[in-house]
This record gives sequence, C-alpha cells and structure tokens, in this order.
Amino acid sequence: QVQLQESGPGLVKPLETLSLSCTVSKDFISSYFWTWIRQPPGKGLEWIGYMDKSGNVRYNSSLKSRVTISVDTSKSQFSLKLTSVTAADTALYYCARAFTVFGVVQGFDYWGQGMLVTVSS
Amino acid sequence: QSVLTQPPSASGTPGQRVTISCSGSRSNIGPNTVTWYQHVPGTAPRLLIYSNNLRPSGVPDRFSGSKSGTSGSLAISGLQSEDEGYYYCAAWDDSLTGHWVFGGGTKLTVL
Repeated sequence: QVQLQESGPGLVKPLETLSLSCTVSKDFISSYFWTWIRQPPGKGLEWIGYMDKSGNVRYNSSLKSRVTISVDTSKSQFSLKLTSVTAADTALYYCARAFTVFGVVQGFDYWGQGMLVTVSS
Repeated sequence: QSVLTQPPSASGTPGQRVTISCSGSRSNIGPNTVTWYQHVPGTAPRLLIYSNNLRPSGVPDRFSGSKSGTSGSLAISGLQSEDEGYYYCAAWDDSLTGHWVFGGGTKLTVL
C-alpha cells in the first residue's frame, strides 16, 4: 500500500511563499507522476499541477506563474512552492499519485490525508 | 464555482441504489474520461472509478460508473452505512493549456 504524507508550515504570511513536501513510502518515486490538489474551505477541489516521471511539469494555467513542483528522489519526496500567496490560497492541500495508462493520466489513485495551510498575517 | 456540476446532496436507505450525476461540457467530459472519488473528511480521498466505468482493485462492484455525451454518472447499489461521505467527479479539460477539473462534490447520507 503506497502512503503519502504532506508536511510543511500550516501558517503562511500574505505575499510569502507556501512550501509543502510530500513523502512517498513503498514506491519508486521516479516511476510515476506526482500531483498536488487543493480544496479551499467550503469549496471544491482544484488541480494545481503534476510532474511526470521524466521531470516534465504541467500546471494549472490559473496558478502557473506562481507554482513550482519538483521531486527529490533521494528523499522520496516531491514538493510544492506557491509564491506571493493571498488569503485565497488558504486551503487543504493534498498530494497524490497520478496513474497512467499508455502514458495518459487516468486519475489519482493514492492521496495523502491533506494539510491545511492558512494564509494570514 | 466548480467546472463540473454535481448535486450538492443525495441520500438513500441501506440496500437502496443511488445515483450521482456529473455534468460537464464539450471541453472536458465530452472528449475525455470521467473519474470518481469518495472522500470521508479526515481521511485520504479514494479513487472509485476511472476511464468512465473501470474500478481499481479493491473497489466493490457495488460502485459503477457510466458516461453519456458530456455527463457522467456514479451508481452505488446495495447502499451501506460506510458509503456515507462526499463524492467527486473529475475529468481532463482541454481548454486553455489543459487541466484537470472537478465537480463541487455530492454529500451522500445513508438514512
């Protein structure tokens, strides 16, 4: 059973950078696509982006100018950085594994439990 | 405002069959497949259905999915108390540079 665990600061000041990590257990991190998804309080899920097994990234265009996803295979972790945050970035942030069929992402089969990040001074 | 439209709530009694709809458009569900997730708050979301109607291993066959045109549907038969929670649909959207979109979620209550 693959397990994912988000970690990082739960409180970020406005205009600063949100940084989260996701530790992956029992899996070869370089063999899969890895994604970040968030859910603002009282709202639906929003896909942030993912990195594929070749290191290519794809981001939601609404966040593209502020987001970076990267992988550290030596730590079996992948990370999210979101710059210049505002209160609108307050959300439950999930990391997840994207699974593919013939190289096309079909969905997200393993998720972390989520981490609440609040943007406030 | 979510891109995919789901009813905010659904309910049923144990043993009943319930369906949850997911309405999209020609840029998402129309040309692409639908996935469904179950989420009990405080736990990790769980993939139930991918490619419109396929179940990952471990998902009971009480859960089934379908797609017609720009809409998808999740059916749960033999409803059980542990099915209570939130259900989300998702699909790839071809607009802009392409991105995954989700429904707003349906809260399922087992009466």
